[in-house]
Amino acid sequence: GENVEQHPSTLSVQEGDSAVIKCTYSDSASNYFPWYKQELGKRPQLIIDIRSNVGEKKDQRIAVTLNKTAKHFSLHITETQPEDSAVYFCAASLTINDYKLSFGAGTTVTVRA
Amino acid sequence: GAVVSQHPSRVICKSGTSVKIECRSLDFQATTMFWYRQFPKKSLMLMATSNEGSKATYEQGVEKDKFLINHASLTLSTLTVTSAHPEDSSFYICSAPGLAEQFFGPGTRLTVL
Repeated sequence: GENVEQHPSTLSVQEGDSAVIKCTYSDSASNYFPWYKQELGKRPQLIIDIRSNVGEKKDQRIAVTLNKTAKHFSLHITETQPEDSAVYFCAASLTINDYKLSFGAGTTVTVRA
Repeated sequence: GAVVSQHPSRVICKSGTSVKIECRSLDFQATTMFWYRQFPKKSLMLMATSNEGSKATYEQGVEKDKFLINHASLTLSTLTVTSAHPEDSSFYICSAPGLAEQFFGPGTRLTVL
């Protein structure tokens, strides 16, 4: 099955700086890569996703890049704010309609004011 | 966006009892739903895929007789933790795939005394 690895496990950044989280996946057939933000005791919330037919996607301060050859994808958060503090998970699935997601271990992001 | 609800949000029970958790898609139909388990400060681990009108598909290592899943309608899946023990204490989250993303329920915090 799919194996998703995520680094770093914790990340502390100064407010206004950028945060980068990296993930690798094992199954070259995977082609849907979402990123979720989860606050303590809450449901995961989709913040951005990318499909295998594109290499980069951006939504305001959040961007995701995908390198299918190397089987890795990254989340970039620019101009971080205290409300960005949360746990972030990357995930991968085989098809857009499959949605059987394999999750990374998570990254706890702390934005220092 | 689409909404997935879970009930109850929190449950405390004694060892040996069974607990039922409901997952509902409120404004869309879901022939498939997913059940995840999340330990504190850990990632979401897929337990099983719930299939409307047929048997659930369990991930390796998940006991199907321990975690009973029923998908009786296109909007409801239930997870029953049978003969619960303290090690079953966890955060259980369901999800249902929409047209372009997966929607997560708010989660159920199970504590077995």
